[in-house]
Amino acid sequence: GENVEQHPSTLSVQEGDSAVIKCTYSDSASNYFPWYKQELGKRPQLIIDIRSNVGEKKDQRIAVTLNKTAKHFSLHITETQPEDSAVYFCAAGTPANFGNEKLTFGTGTRLTIIP
Amino acid sequence: DVKVTQSSRYLVKRTGEKVFLECVQDMDHENMFWYRQDPGLGLRLIYFSYDVKMKEKGDIPEGYSVSREKKERFSLILESASTNQTSMYLCASSLRVGYTFGSGTRLTVV
Repeated sequence: GENVEQHPSTLSVQEGDSAVIKCTYSDSASNYFPWYKQELGKRPQLIIDIRSNVGEKKDQRIAVTLNKTAKHFSLHITETQPEDSAVYFCAAGTPANFGNEKLTFGTGTRLTIIP
Repeated sequence: DVKVTQSSRYLVKRTGEKVFLECVQDMDHENMFWYRQDPGLGLRLIYFSYDVKMKEKGDIPEGYSVSREKKERFSLILESASTNQTSMYLCASSLRVGYTFGSGTRLTVV
């Protein structure tokens, strides 16, 4: 099955600086790569995603890049703010039955923004 | 806005008890999933379902079973709870991709 590795496990960044979280996956059939943000005591929420036919996607201060050849993808947060402090999970979506997909998650990165 | 509701936020059960965790979604999604979340291990897939009465094992199904009698409801069953099943359990639903998660049930087995 799919295996997703995520690094680093913790990351502290000065407010205003950029943060980068990296993930690798093992199954070349994976074609969907979402990122989830989980604030303390809350449910994970989708913040950005990318399909395997796209190399980069941007949404305001967050961007995701994908290198399908190397099987890795990254989350970039620029101009970080205190509200960016959370646990971030990457995931890889593998085709399953009837056109649906299931997600395999990384182990998470605890991002702390230092004011 | 899709709502995924898990019936209990916190549960404390005794070893050997049969435990039911309930999840209901209100957007007619085909797909429903059960994950457990543990520190340092991320979210691990227990079981999933793509249709009523249909289920498939995820990565860690041992000690669990599921039931999907109606499209909107997906139940996770711990046949005989053990202390190593103490965890946060998250339900999710999706139409094709892009999960919506419930708020989670923190289960403690004593």
